Amino acid sequence: NAGVTQTPKFRILKIGQSMTLQCTQDMNHNYMYWYRQDPGMGLKLIYYSVGAGITDKGEVPNGYNVSRSTTEDFPLRLELAAPSQTSVYFCASSYSGDTQYFGPGTRLTVL
Amino acid sequence: AQSVAQPEDQVNVAEGNPLTVKCTYSVSGNPYLFWYVQYPNRGLQFLLKYITGDNLVKGSYGFEAEFNKSQTSFHLKKPSALVSDSALYFCAVRGGSSNTGKLIFGQGTTLQVKP
Repeated sequence: NAGVTQTPKFRILKIGQSMTLQCTQDMNHNYMYWYRQDPGMGLKLIYYSVGAGITDKGEVPNGYNVSRSTTEDFPLRLELAAPSQTSVYFCASSYSGDTQYFGPGTRLTVL
Repeated sequence: AQSVAQPEDQVNVAEGNPLTVKCTYSVSGNPYLFWYVQYPNRGLQFLLKYITGDNLVKGSYGFEAEFNKSQTSFHLKKPSALVSDSALYFCAVRGGSSNTGKLIFGQGTTLQVKP
């Protein structure tokens, strides 16, 4: 099993550009999550999903959007990138809402 | 509201000495508690969890954590630190009644083990 994979690993965006961060898991997990990690701030939940077709906002959803058309994939969309979205983004999944397993992260810089 | 506090930004220990990384929490209902470790430029790795049962939980790489309900704490411990244990450690909590699995993370504690 590859576990949770994320692409790209790094990305530099200009203000106002858009992009999609990809997340895929091959563990047949129902639950998936997107976090952002800022220095000294821990992880903040952006969006989560408890199954295909079901998504909900987390703590910091503004400026982001998600979809969950399949069990495996949970892409995160950034529209109109802003410098405040410079961060490291982590995707995670869990089988039943218990232990979460994390991907390697995407480091995003908005200039 | 649920919250997690890791009161130390950094913990320094000498190799071979015992280590403790502190965590306190606030949650309604019975807590589910987790510790994760993050090495530089990597994702978070699961170390251990407490859901119910014995208050002393054993996890990966020789780590253990003690659940203390009266003090609402879940401190991470290891009897003998290794230089390779140097990393960023996160405590996380979710309410036992949650059906979404959403975790609240502490801000993290950097563990520095010196030879």
